[in-house]
Amino acid sequence: AQSVTQPDIHITVSEGASLELRCNYSYGATPYLFWYVQSPGQGLQLLLKYFSGDTLVQGIKGFEAEFKRSQSSFNLRKPSVHWSDAAEYFCAVGPIVSNFGNEKLTFGTGTRLTIIP
Amino acid sequence: EAQVTQNPRYLITVTGKKLTVTCSQNMNHEYMSWYRQDPGLGLRQIYYSMNVEVTDKGDVPEGYKVSRKEKRNFPLILESPSPNQTSLYFCASRQGSRTGELFFGEGSRLTVL
Repeated sequence: AQSVTQPDIHITVSEGASLELRCNYSYGATPYLFWYVQSPGQGLQLLLKYFSGDTLVQGIKGFEAEFKRSQSSFNLRKPSVHWSDAAEYFCAVGPIVSNFGNEKLTFGTGTRLTIIP
Repeated sequence: EAQVTQNPRYLITVTGKKLTVTCSQNMNHEYMSWYRQDPGLGLRQIYYSMNVEVTDKGDVPEGYKVSRKEKRNFPLILESPSPNQTSLYFCASRQGSRTGELFFGEGSRLTVL
C-alpha cells in the first residue's frame, strides 16, 4: 500500500529565508505526487503535482518540488518565504493503477510552517 | 466561481443526535470524497463516490453514511454521532481522471459532546 511520510511536524523560518519541506513516499512504482497547502480556516489548495517527465516541477506562489526516485522523495522548496506562506502543507501520493475504482490520494500528516519577521 | 460548498462550517452536537453535513460542487465532477482531518493523522478518507449512485468505503467509514443521488451533491450522514467523531471534515471533488486536481471545500468543524 502507498504511504507518505512528512518527518517535520513544525518548521519555523524567517521571512525572506529559503524553505525546504520534506516528503518521502512508499509505492511500488512511480506514483503521482502532489503538494497541497492549507491556510488557516481554509480548505486545501493544490500547489503543484508530478506525474512524469521533468523531475523539477514548478507550482503556484513561487513553490517548486523535485522528484528523486532514488530517495523516494518529493521535497517542496521556496527560495524566499513571505509571511503569507504561513500555513500547513500536505504531501500526497496517488495510485497509478486504480484500486477497485478508488483513485484516492494518500496524505501525509502535514508540516506546519511558521514565519517569523 | 468553481467551488465546493460545505454546510455547516461549525457544529456542536450531542452524542446520538443524527446530523448531516452537506457538500455541493458546481464543476460537474464525477468523483467526490469525504476526508476527516485529525492532529497527527493528516487526512483520512471516509467515503468516496465515482459517480451518481456509486459509492464505497474509504479507510475510516465506521459510523458514517453517504449518498449520491445527484452529481453535484454528496452529503455525509452521522446516524448516531459519538465523541470520537469530533473532527474537521473536508469534502472534495475531481474530474474523472485520477491525475486531476482535487478541489476541497472549506471544511466543517464538528464537535460531539
